[in-house]
Amino acid sequence: KAGVTQTPRYLIKTRGQQVTLSCSPISGHRSVSWYQQTPGQGLQFLFEYFSETQRNKGNFPGRFSGRQFSNSRSEMNVSTLELGDSALYLCASSILPTGNTEAFFGQGTRLTVV
Amino acid sequence: GENVEQHPSTLSVQEGDSAVIKCTYSDSASNYFPWYKQELGKRPQLIIDIRSNVGEKKDQRIAVTLNKTAKHFSLHITETQPEDSAVYFCAASKGDDKIIFGKGTRLHILP
Repeated sequence: KAGVTQTPRYLIKTRGQQVTLSCSPISGHRSVSWYQQTPGQGLQFLFEYFSETQRNKGNFPGRFSGRQFSNSRSEMNVSTLELGDSALYLCASSILPTGNTEAFFGQGTRLTVV
Repeated sequence: GENVEQHPSTLSVQEGDSAVIKCTYSDSASNYFPWYKQELGKRPQLIIDIRSNVGEKKDQRIAVTLNKTAKHFSLHITETQPEDSAVYFCAASKGDDKIIFGKGTRLHILP
């Protein structure tokens, strides 16, 4: 069974640009959550989608948005990139909404904003 | 909203000794407490979880304890081995809500 796949693995963008990250969950998983990981800040929750609906949202500015497609694949978009957006972005999938069960993480997309 | 505090941020123990990582949470309605391990350069993986209807859970050398009254839970690793070196994250959730993670503990196992 294929694991959670995130693309691309690495990205370098210029301040002010926008970026789209993709996450393909494990087959059969309907929940996809996104996290920002930075040194010293741990895993900060961005948002969660379940069956194409955003269920929960973290405390990030509106520049961060996402969506989920009918096949459960999810995308995350960040507009008007800032230097502080440089981080490892992880997505995780689960059969049920993440707050109830094990989340399986992808390997992440490392975004560098210059 | 929920807030999870995790201590210590860094922990060094001799191989074979025990390691304890502690977390506190703020929302008394939280009822699911997973622990994830992230080895260097790898993805976080669940190692153990506990729900609020039990006070302790064990899996070989790993155990988690939960004190609902005090709103804290701990990870205990006994007979530590080099492969236990990693960053450990605790988390809390109300079940139907988002999972909130602690900031992580970097565990070093010294030879």
